[in-house]
Formats: sequence, C-alpha cells, structure tokens
Amino acid sequence: DAGITQSPRYKITETGRQVTLMCHQTWSHSYMFWYRQDLGHGLRLIYYSAAADITDKGEVPDGYVVSRSKTENFPLTLESATRSQTSVYFCASSEWATEAFFGQGTRLTVV
Amino acid sequence: SQQGEEDPQALSIQEGENATMNCSYKTSINNLQWYRQNSGRGLVHLILIRSNEREKHSGRLRVTLDTSKKSSSLLITASRAADTASYFCATDAGQGAQKLVFGQGTRLTINP
Repeated sequence: DAGITQSPRYKITETGRQVTLMCHQTWSHSYMFWYRQDLGHGLRLIYYSAAADITDKGEVPDGYVVSRSKTENFPLTLESATRSQTSVYFCASSEWATEAFFGQGTRLTVV
Repeated sequence: SQQGEEDPQALSIQEGENATMNCSYKTSINNLQWYRQNSGRGLVHLILIRSNEREKHSGRLRVTLDTSKKSSSLLITASRAADTASYFCATDAGQGAQKLVFGQGTRLTINP
C-alpha cells in the first residue's frame, strides 16, 4: 500500500537502552523528517534528510542519530534513551516546496 | 526556538461561527503551510501558500500571507463539530532545502 508507515506504534523501553524507530515511505519522496511532539511544544524537528545519504540537524537533535541509506527508509535511533525522550514521534516525507505526508506516530515511553 | 508561532493557543466557538487563527514566523520563507491534527493522529495537510501569493482558498478555508509582517492567518468559515482539532502552521525557513518547521499550534474546539 502506498503511504508512509512508522513502526512500532507503541514502545516502552528502559533508561539507557538503545531504541530505533522505523519510517518507510513508498512515494520515493526526496525529503524525510522526524519530529517529536510534546505538550506545550507542538512539533519540534529532530532531523531531516534531503536525499539518501544526506541528513541534517533540526531544532532538537541531541541524543538522536539518523541514517538514510535508501530513499524510502529513515530510521531514528535513540542511542541511550532518557526519560526526557518520552514523547510521540512523527515521521513525514515530501518533495521540495510541497505538502508533507505524516505517519501515524510512535508513542515512546522511557521508564 | 521555533520558526512559527500560532495565536491564539486555544479557541472555542459555536458551530456555524467562523474561526480565525494566526501564525507569525521569523525568517524569510518560500512557502507556508497549514496542517490539522485530530487528537492522537498524524497531521493532515490543509493548504500551501507560496511567498509570492497573498491569499488562497480551499473549500471553507481561506489563508492569507503577509510577508512584510511575516504573518499568516487561517480562516475556517461556517465551522462544524468535525473541525475540532489542533491547527499548525509550518514554514520552510526560506533556506534552499525544505527544512519544515512547525509552530506550537492552535487548539480549536467547536461547540454544538
């Protein structure tokens, strides 16, 4: 099915563990984005990518790592999860200067 | 700090009334977009307005853009209960790449 999918939808992990959130899109969009959404902060950009092997930091990149070896995938890794990274994470994709399409989100809880 | 900021943070109106939300941003842009988010769901694109456009319509939505004031407004006419959601503006920060940055959103409640 065409679209953008995130996995898992829900994740509980322990402080200090590494966790990877997956994002896959079927449109071959050039741009992909990772956001976190917390009450009182709206959506904050973590990392974005303009093409395979091209990534750049957003507003809140500390503690996160991304890679984009293939156009369709853009995984987000928390190298050593902290409680402050408890949040809802959204992945999105788009072409330049066009609308972005969002996944359904991953609700991550760090205990 | 975030590029876009919406105002008001929350808005509650009666069904049938018009709802106006505002967005201010800081740097030059190529385009500005508005999105809607229903509770617990992903964001859905509503409308995109380019920096050389001043007004755009889509159904009951009207968006204006004033680049001299670095501001935009979203008007929803004849509101319905189904319009209850959070609304966000997003800008590309005017750089060559599409670094899409969102504001904090306006929570709109339509009362029946």
